[in-house]
Amino acid sequence: ETGVTQSPTHLIKTRGQQVTLRCSSQSGHNTVSWYQQALGQGPQFIFQYYREEENGRGNFPPRFSGLQFPNYSSELNVNALELDDSALYLCASSLVPVPDYGYTFGSGTRLTVV
Amino acid sequence: GENVEQHPSTLSVQEGDSAVIKCTYSDSASNYFPWYKQELGKRPQLIIDIRSNVGEKKDQRIAVTLNKTAKHFSLHITETQPEDSAVYFCAASINQGAQKLVFGQGTRLTINP
Repeated sequence: ETGVTQSPTHLIKTRGQQVTLRCSSQSGHNTVSWYQQALGQGPQFIFQYYREEENGRGNFPPRFSGLQFPNYSSELNVNALELDDSALYLCASSLVPVPDYGYTFGSGTRLTVV
Repeated sequence: GENVEQHPSTLSVQEGDSAVIKCTYSDSASNYFPWYKQELGKRPQLIIDIRSNVGEKKDQRIAVTLNKTAKHFSLHITETQPEDSAVYFCAASINQGAQKLVFGQGTRLTINP
């Protein structure tokens, strides 16, 4: 059984650039949820993908977009980066699109926008 | 609205003593309450969870209590050990299009030897 892997682990981008973050879900999991964790804060829900469709979205602007592939891996894309986008981005995979059955979090991607 | 308040933000206890972290939530429809432990630079890891039809759950040195009427839940760690030092997050499930977790702000727990 493989865990949740995220890439890259760290990256630095300039304000206004675009970034793509990747997440490989745990084997057998068909749902991926993305969270943003600012320094010293709890994670905040960005959106969820279930069977390749967006299944709900938090209070994030449209420049945050995503994708899920047939193997259930997922991407998070952020356009027109702003300084406030600097954060740890976590993905969590789950067996079904409800957290009650347990999220498995990846180790995250630390994004710094300068 | 959706909100989870967590207290205290920092907690320091002597090794062997107990630690208690408290959370309140706003959405009365929330029915699942997990607790996560996050060590520096690592992923959040689920340590215990409780559903709304249960008032208390225990797993070795860790216990969680839930008061649905008051909309608050607490994490209790007994016989604390240095490896318990970490940031702890409570969360509540919210159904807004998707079933998601709303997290508290976190508690930095330090166990002093």
